[in-house]
Order: sequence, then structure tokens, then C-alpha cells
Amino acid sequence: KAGVTQTPRYLIKTRGQQVTLSCSPISGHRSVSWYQQTPGQGLQFLFEYFSETQRNKGNFPGRFSGRQFSNSRSEMNVSTLELGDSALYLCASSLGVADSTDTQYFGPGTRLTVL
Amino acid sequence: GDSVTQMEGPVTLSEEAFLTINCTYTATGYPSLFWYVQYPGEGLQLLLKATKADDKGSNKGFEATYRKETTSFHLEKGSVQVSDSAVYFCALSGVRGGENKLTFGTGTQLKVEL
Repeated sequence: KAGVTQTPRYLIKTRGQQVTLSCSPISGHRSVSWYQQTPGQGLQFLFEYFSETQRNKGNFPGRFSGRQFSNSRSEMNVSTLELGDSALYLCASSLGVADSTDTQYFGPGTRLTVL
Repeated sequence: GDSVTQMEGPVTLSEEAFLTINCTYTATGYPSLFWYVQYPGEGLQLLLKATKADDKGSNKGFEATYRKETTSFHLEKGSVQVSDSAVYFCALSGVRGGENKLTFGTGTQLKVEL
């Protein structure tokens, strides 16, 4: 089975621009979660989508948004980029069962650099 | 809220040495516990997991036992290799129904030398 894929792998943007990142989950997985990884803050949860609905949200400003399509693929968007948004953005997919045993599998990440 | 505490790194070991990376957690209810590994320039790979107290997760020679009484999930390996050099993350999953959120520790960098 193919793993989680993320595109693009690398992005360079300037402050004020917006960016869209894409994630394709493992076949059969219905939940997609997004995380931000930075040296200072570590791994932080952004949001989770299940059946095209946001089911859970972390503590990030409204500039960070996402969506999920009927084939479970997901996109996240960051508007009005700031220097502090430079990070590795990781997508994870899972079956989406509603209990703590659900296991998330991660993609390789998108490295975003904001200049 | 939920939290995970990991030992500080980097941890430097000689090949074939014994490895322990400590992980303790704070959570309500009965979380599942995970170890993920991140190699340079890559995403996270699931290393092992345990979903209930006293469960032992194991994979590729690594082991960890879910200890509810000490709220711990320490990672161990009997004989490390240079190829084990990576950053290791302990994590727990949300315990409320429908909350598919992982809470991570800060990560522990492991360096294995010849």
C-alpha cells in the first residue's frame, strides 16, 4: 500500500503571500491531520479532517485553514505568511475510528521557508 | 491538558550499547501511547505503539511497556546500531471520543558512533 504523500516537498515564499499544501492519505484512510514542526515549538497539532468536516482544531490563528475532499485528500492553506510560519508541515492519515487506538501515519512533510 | 515529557538529548552511544529513552505522560482516562522516529530530512515513522496498560509494543529490536502506575512508556533497545541515529518522539493520543490528536514530547536525538 502506498504511504502518505505530500506535495510539494519544498516551498519558498515571501511575507504576505499565501500558500497551499496538499496531502494524499493512505488508501482507505478517512482522517487527515496536519501538524507544524519547528525547532522552537516542536510538533504542534493544527487540525483534523474526517469525511470532509473539520473534527478537531489546534490553537492556531485563522490564517491557517484546511479542507478535505470526497476522496479524503486534504489541503491546508496559510494566508498572509509571516516569517514565523517557516516550518516543516506534516500530514498524517488514519482510519479515523473515534477512539484513542486510531494510529496516524505520517507523510514526508512540506518544508516551507518564508523570506 | 495532556502532556508528554521526554528526556533531554542528544544521547550519544557507542554501537551495540543499551538504549533507554525515558518518557512520562499526563492524561485523563486511558490514552494510547506511541513512539515515532524521524530520520534527517524525513517525516515521522511509527516505531511502536501500546493501547492499554501493561501492553508491550515492539519493532526492529525496540520495546516499550505501557506502565499506568508510573505513567511511563520508556523506549529500550538492547544493542543500538549506527543506523538507529535519529530523533525519537514519544506521543499520546486524545482520550475523548472523536479526538484524533497526538500530543508529542520534545523529541530525543540519538547519535550512535562506531
